[in-house]
Amino acid sequence: TQLLEQSPQFLSIQEGENLTVYCNSSSVFSSLQWYRQEPGEGPVLLVTVVTGGEVKKLKRLTFQFGDARKDSSLHITAAQPGDTGLYLCAGAREAGNNRKLIWGLGTSLAVNP
Amino acid sequence: EAQVTQNPRYLITVTGKKLTVTCSQNMNHEYMSWYRQDPGLGLRQIYYSMNVEVTDKGDVPEGYKVSRKEKRNFPLILESPSPNQTSLYFCASSLKGGYGYTFGSGTRLTVV
Repeated sequence: TQLLEQSPQFLSIQEGENLTVYCNSSSVFSSLQWYRQEPGEGPVLLVTVVTGGEVKKLKRLTFQFGDARKDSSLHITAAQPGDTGLYLCAGAREAGNNRKLIWGLGTSLAVNP
Repeated sequence: EAQVTQNPRYLITVTGKKLTVTCSQNMNHEYMSWYRQDPGLGLRQIYYSMNVEVTDKGDVPEGYKVSRKEKRNFPLILESPSPNQTSLYFCASSLKGGYGYTFGSGTRLTVV
């Protein structure tokens, strides 16, 4: 059973477009992490959100944690080819403990020049 | 540079031949994990260590061993590799619980 559903699974857009990807669950998480993974490399941590309703911005990327801490979204403004990659979300069930992270399968994003 | 270093990056081996994938981190992190990544299955945790000499099984520990004799090193051992262990393996470390992971660059293992 996949406890963290990511959508869409694949996304191909043109440079300059905006996009939003989603990470949804029926379970509550104490925190949620977003990573970006490029082919042949390990995932790179982008952000951790811990408070329901929290919004964090990282340049053109905006992350939001749902009020009920069951879902999260990542919005990219004016996408660039360098944003291409696999975006993964991972939820921690217990506060201060990432021993049992629950991982989504990811959204594969391609930004075409 | 703060990093997690895995070796080797690529490995092709034969069924039954013992192998070790090394992992070292230079950030004095307490937590370390091994994951495997397979198409359609995503990242699955193999083993986890909260500190020196403290390890615990993840979701798919069968066929793997680990040890944590020093804080910086967390090798993954396959005593008798089988073709179903062909995968992309990642070592990751975290300062402590609740913090995000820093991942290594991966080891692509093929068992024939």
